[in-house]
Amino acid sequence: QKEVEQDPGPLSVPEGAIVSLNCTYSNSAFQYFMWYRQYSRKGPELLMYTYSSGNKEDGRFTAQVDKSSKYISLFIRDSQPSDSATYLCAMIERTGGFKTIFGAGTRLFVKA
Amino acid sequence: EAQVTQNPRYLITVTGKKLTVTCSQNMNHEYMSWYRQDPGLGLRQIYYSMNVEVTDKGDVPEGYKVSRKEKRNFPLILESPSPNQTSLYFCASSLTSNQPQHFGDGTRLSIL
Repeated sequence: QKEVEQDPGPLSVPEGAIVSLNCTYSNSAFQYFMWYRQYSRKGPELLMYTYSSGNKEDGRFTAQVDKSSKYISLFIRDSQPSDSATYLCAMIERTGGFKTIFGAGTRLFVKA
Repeated sequence: EAQVTQNPRYLITVTGKKLTVTCSQNMNHEYMSWYRQDPGLGLRQIYYSMNVEVTDKGDVPEGYKVSRKEKRNFPLILESPSPNQTSLYFCASSLTSNQPQHFGDGTRLSIL
């Protein structure tokens, strides 16, 4: 079983829809949680970074962390074709030092 | 502009021919890392460096070498490349190991 599970999709939605992307994890040592967006032929870019349970909002994006259920989500409101990309969740665990573990990514297509 | 620069972006080569992928960051980050990204497997860490002259193995280090002689540079060396090292490679950096990482745009290696 992988430490971080993420549905690979693809997920296809119409423009303007609310998108929900999710990751589950099994390691209680994860302390920091992130979402990255990766466009084709580009490197991942950071979208959201949080270290506590609850919600964090940035424009059309909301990151949600539920440490008790070991579950994180990214919501995208009013989705746009430019949101079409692969979304990676990532978590940092403390094991002596710190290590980042990535989900495999969910491919999202937003149709105009 | 803050960035991580990788070169080359694309390379096709043959088994056994030594190659180096360069990585440079201009953000004065202490932590640097190399990942490979394969379909369905996500990002897997090859090597990382906490600071100058401090490097350590990640999850998939076999067949790779790194060095960190200067803070800004972290080259990835394949001494004797094999076809199973055909992949998309990313260099990343962050201020410290418990911070989100900034990624380069990737190097696509094909080993024939």
